[in-house]
Amino acid sequence: DIVMTQSPDSLAVSLGERATINCKSSQSVLYRSNNKNYLAWYQQKPGQPPKLLMYWASTRKSGVPERFSGSGSGTDFTLTISSLQAEDVAVYYCQQYDSTPYTFGQGTKLEIK
Amino acid sequence: QVQLVQSGAEVKKPGASVKVSCQASGYTFTSYDINWVRQATGQGLEWMGWMNPNSGNTGYAQKFQGRVTMTRDSSINTAYMELNSLRSEDTAMYYCARGAYCSGGDCYRRELDYWGQGTLVTVSS
Repeated sequence: DIVMTQSPDSLAVSLGERATINCKSSQSVLYRSNNKNYLAWYQQKPGQPPKLLMYWASTRKSGVPERFSGSGSGTDFTLTISSLQAEDVAVYYCQQYDSTPYTFGQGTKLEIK
Repeated sequence: QVQLVQSGAEVKKPGASVKVSCQASGYTFTSYDINWVRQATGQGLEWMGWMNPNSGNTGYAQKFQGRVTMTRDSSINTAYMELNSLRSEDTAMYYCARGAYCSGGDCYRRELDYWGQGTLVTVSS
């Protein structure tokens, strides 16, 4: 199984500042035949299901604010929120969908400083 | 618009079974896999398996092999997840989510783009 490890476990950032969450996979999730990284990011607020933010590591889902961006390739990935807003307080998860079982990171709790 | 609507909360005794439904609308039900993901209170997300509504093919995480069954009724665009031999550790919120796209006999892995609202399953004596 591919193990997904996020860092940090929790993060406190001031409003308007940058937030960065890292995700590392135990093996590459880059599929060389199409040069796509099978990596997604989700946001989960209390009492709600997860919401897809990014897929193919760096493609923003329609409707997701531009302050969210994803980067990385192979085994190392980053989710960046360029200017933190109050509504961004949530737990963020990375997930690989390269091979089953489709595994998630343990989550990163993002709070306002 | 795409929607996945799940059945209501369940309370079960240890050793019993639970069957959760997930009704899809707003897209062609047989064109996308349905995945099931669970989350214990205050914990992370755990992928349980997938089911192809067109073929009925399934794939389960090893942890749940022999205890979970994923099925569908395409006439009502509904997927089901049944978990047997329940124990207290199975107390969790269970989500269905749309996954792989399938066309012409081929399926293409993709992100989980739409999720149900969740079904809370409580296992308690």
